[in-house]
Order: sequence, then structure tokens, then C-alpha cells
Amino acid sequence: NAGVTQTPKFRVLKTGQSMTLLCAQDMNHEYMYWYRQDPGMGLRLIHYSVGEGTTAKGEVPDGYNVSRLKKQNFLLGLESAAPSQTSVYFCATGTRIEEAQETQYFGPGTRLLVL
Amino acid sequence: RKEVEQDPGPFNVPEGATVAFNCTYSNSASQSFFWYRQDCRKEPKLLMSVYSSGNEDGRFTAQLNRASQYISLLIRDSKLSDSATYLCVVSRMDSSYKLIFGSGTRLLVRP
Repeated sequence: NAGVTQTPKFRVLKTGQSMTLLCAQDMNHEYMYWYRQDPGMGLRLIHYSVGEGTTAKGEVPDGYNVSRLKKQNFLLGLESAAPSQTSVYFCATGTRIEEAQETQYFGPGTRLLVL
Repeated sequence: RKEVEQDPGPFNVPEGATVAFNCTYSNSASQSFFWYRQDCRKEPKLLMSVYSSGNEDGRFTAQLNRASQYISLLIRDSKLSDSATYLCVVSRMDSSYKLIFGSGTRLLVRP
């Protein structure tokens, strides 16, 4: 099992360009998440999905869009990249262990540099 | 104020030392608590969940104090391989079970 994979691993964009980050999972998890991680800021939730065909905004959704057309895939789009979007992007999938707990499994990350 | 606060460190300790990290959370509705570990330039991975009664996993002990809203992680007999950033994580009971991450505490274990 591959677990959670992310494509691409690294990308350089010019301001105004667009791109899509792909997250794929073979764990059959319902929940999927996109985070960004910046120095001193910790992980911040961009968008998430609680099931196929559903998405919701997280803490920092502006400038990003997402889609969850298939249960195993969660796409993150940047329509017009800005230097402030330079970051490391992590995808995660979630499962509920008990009613009050959840474990998340992370992909290896995508490093994005916007010039 | 951040919802989950941690001392960023770094904590620089010799091999074999005991080291403790604390974390405070501001939302009393938080229900679940975790410690994640993140190695340099890698993804976070679950280290252990934190239960109200406290729990231990080998050299690692986690404690939760709901009244004071803090969580602790104790590492005994530190190994070089323990060098990493430790993330304190809390979860609220809502329909999406989102996790709130602290910024992390960096640990360096020296020979």
C-alpha cells in the first residue's frame, strides 16, 4: 500500500501562473485535508473534505480551490499563484478511531516556490 | 492568541537525558489530544494519543490536565534518533473532527 501520495514533490511557479496539486490515498479514508506549513506558523488547514463530492473551507482558504470527485483523490488548485503562497503543502487523510478521536495520515508534502 | 501554544525550543539535551515538553490549549471544548512527530523536511506522523488518565509507550509518557488545559510529553533515556519537532495537536468535537496543530517544539539530542 502506498498510503498517501502527493504530486508533484516540488514546483516553481511565476506569479500569476496556475497549478493543481494532487493527493491520492489507498487507505479508503472518508476525510481528506490540505494544509500549508510555514516557519513558525505550524500547520494551517486550507480546505477539507468529509466525503466524495463534498468540500469545505478551513482556516486559510483564500486563493485556493479544491475538488473531491473521487473518494481516493483530493485536488488543490491555485488559480493565480502569489509569492505569499510559497510554502510546503501537506495532504492528510483521516479516520475516526472512536467517537471522539481521529488519526490523520500525511503525504510526503509538496514544496512550492512562487517567484 | 494561538489555540494551541508550544515552546518552540530548541531543547538541546545529551543522549540519555530526560526531557519534557508542555503544551497549552485555549478551547475548553477540545476533546482529543495527540502528539505528532515531524522530522526535518518530512511529514508529521502520529507519535501517540493522550488520554485523560495519562499513558505510556516505551520511553514516552503523555499526560493531560483538563483543568489547567495543558498536555505534556516526557521522553526518558533520549536517543539521537529522537531529534525532531514534536507537535501538540487537539481536536474538537464537530462534524469534521478537524485537528488543530501547535507550531511544534524542536528537540536536539547530542552524543
